[in-house]
Amino acid sequence: NAGVMQNPRHLVRRRGQEARLRCSPMKGHSHVYWYRQLPEEGLKFMVYLQKENIIDESGMPKERFSAEFPKEGPSILRIQQVVRGDSAAYFCASSPGLAGGLEQFFGPGTRLTVL
Amino acid sequence: KNEVEQSPQNLTAQEGEFITINCSYSVGISALHWLQQHPGGGIVSLFMLSSGKKKHGRLIATINIQEKHSSLHITASHPRDSAVYICAADRAAGNKLTFGGGTRVLVKP
Repeated sequence: NAGVMQNPRHLVRRRGQEARLRCSPMKGHSHVYWYRQLPEEGLKFMVYLQKENIIDESGMPKERFSAEFPKEGPSILRIQQVVRGDSAAYFCASSPGLAGGLEQFFGPGTRLTVL
Repeated sequence: KNEVEQSPQNLTAQEGEFITINCSYSVGISALHWLQQHPGGGIVSLFMLSSGKKKHGRLIATINIQEKHSSLHITASHPRDSAVYICAADRAAGNKLTFGGGTRVLVKP
């Protein structure tokens, strides 16, 4: 049973470029959460998605950030026109949903560095 | 005031000592999670609690719903327990987690 997979594990971008972070949930999990951990800070919720739906995006910055979880394929967190302040570790977690319980399983994270 | 507070922020122990980390929260929750983040950065879910007590190996987690307080205990601590321990409040089924600031634990041999 593969766990939650994220790629790339490390991503370097120059200011103004786009960053795409991918998250493949555990098999059978239909709920995906994205969290951000800024350097020397705690984890913060960004967005909660189910297949083809954004359920809660209250933690997403209003501009440049978007997320999707298509019917087929991984969940994508997209950051357009990156700035140095976007440098952080981005974690996704998945859960089976209400019927399967609340426990979230975390991926290894993507460490984004903006030069 | 943060909705989820942890104490202490940092803790150093000698190998074999008993360690306690505390977590207080100010919101209604459906569950309280304890997570472990190792120096490499990966996050592991240790416990999910909605009442009472859970034990896994040398780790014990307790929660008091009335007092809105949870504790994580590490018995017979070992250097490999060195990590950041994070509590997180789950406010409703299938909802987002609100995290404490983490407790950095260092166990010296």
